[in-house]
Amino acid sequence: EVQVVESGGDLVQPGRSLRLSCTTSGFNFGDYAVSWGRQAPGKGLEWVGFIRSKTYGGTTEYAASVKGRFTISRDDSKSIAYLQMNSLKIEDTAVYYCTRYGGRPDYWGQGTLVTVSS
Amino acid sequence: DVVMTQTPLSSPVSLGQPASISCRSSQSLVHRDGDTYLNWLQQRPGQPPRLLIYKISNRFSGVPDRFSGSGAGTEFTLNISRVEAEDVGIYYCTQATQFPWTFGQGTKVEIK
Repeated sequence: EVQVVESGGDLVQPGRSLRLSCTTSGFNFGDYAVSWGRQAPGKGLEWVGFIRSKTYGGTTEYAASVKGRFTISRDDSKSIAYLQMNSLKIEDTAVYYCTRYGGRPDYWGQGTLVTVSS
Repeated sequence: DVVMTQTPLSSPVSLGQPASISCRSSQSLVHRDGDTYLNWLQQRPGQPPRLLIYKISNRFSGVPDRFSGSGAGTEFTLNISRVEAEDVGIYYCTQATQFPWTFGQGTKVEIK
């Protein structure tokens, strides 16, 4: 059974950093890309970024709103993807979702809440 | 960026009646590989999003056949043939043809 679980969400002050994890199981993680998205309270979905599988270079893409502040990485040996978030802003407050991607965004985690507030 | 525009934003429907959601993209979603990466997601209240339809018209595993997708180029539609109580939620179209990926505003389906 495919499982995707986000963790690491917390209450943090503006300007601080936080790292989210996306822990997966039930499939060969190395064969898939991973996408991160978020949803601010009461709002719609927003794409955050993407990391390709090593087969496709393991390269990354980011939304303009987070580029230069957020970094996505992956550890295929642990089947985990990470979202390193630096210089957090109040507007980064959201539930963050991780999604397996193999030509379609098929398995989503339950999300982890990040609250940026002083 | 590709702008995704959904209509309507709210759709009150009687149980057993059909519902239809339109999604228009500001640019063609045909990828250079020939596929069109237009997907539909369902988000039930208090739940994470769930993939319903991928590449315009392909139902994901476990999705009831009352859900169907159609369209091409820049115009796409999600149809629910007979709305059931469990279909209440917000539906999003999303494109993964080009970065940045983008979402529609969401359409709220509720029971009349």
